[in-house]
Amino acid sequence: KQEVTQIPAALSVPEGENLVLNCSFTDSAIYNLQWFRQDPGKGLTSLLLIQSSQREQTSGRLNASLDKSSGRSTLYIAASQPGDSATYLCAVIMDSSYKLIFGSGTRLLVRP
Amino acid sequence: KAGVTQTPRYLIKTRGQQVTLSCSPISGHRSVSWYQQTPGQGLQFLFEYFSETQRNKGNFPGRFSGRQFSNSRSEMNVSTLELGDSALYLCASSARGLGGRETQYFGPGTRLLVL
Repeated sequence: KQEVTQIPAALSVPEGENLVLNCSFTDSAIYNLQWFRQDPGKGLTSLLLIQSSQREQTSGRLNASLDKSSGRSTLYIAASQPGDSATYLCAVIMDSSYKLIFGSGTRLLVRP
Repeated sequence: KAGVTQTPRYLIKTRGQQVTLSCSPISGHRSVSWYQQTPGQGLQFLFEYFSETQRNKGNFPGRFSGRQFSNSRSEMNVSTLELGDSALYLCASSARGLGGRETQYFGPGTRLLVL
């Protein structure tokens, strides 16, 4: 059974700092991995999708990497801003279905 | 293009009642998935519909059901509500039915409180 773990559970950093969020999964036979952002009481916003054949994806200040063999993904946020404060979730899909398996998230606070 | 919309946004029900939640996907999207989010269990997959057919189902009791209409709008129904059904219910849509190869776009959710 696939399990997705995110460390740390919470993170507080000063504005401008570069930071890394971690995601690990127990079964490396994933189809793809997605990173989402969730603001309090809101739905999820897709940030990056990495196919199983890819190593990384970039969007603006965000860069996500994937190492299937070690069961790990990282989300790198450059020059963090207070507006980046949110919960970040990673999720994997094991096959061609739409069943996303989520981690428990990392709650990020960027202090001005 | 409008995003995924969910109605109602907030709902209060009592134990034993039933509830119906609605999700309108992004125009042109044919797949709709439903998720339950609770503080204890996190985000869990309920089911996925494509072209009015349920293709995948999560590990939830039969009290949880859904359907999809010909215009791709979807509803989920929970019968005989229990306190533990209190949660944020999220739906997500995708365009081409390509499974895990597509990004899923989420709506704002319906927050259900069962008293």
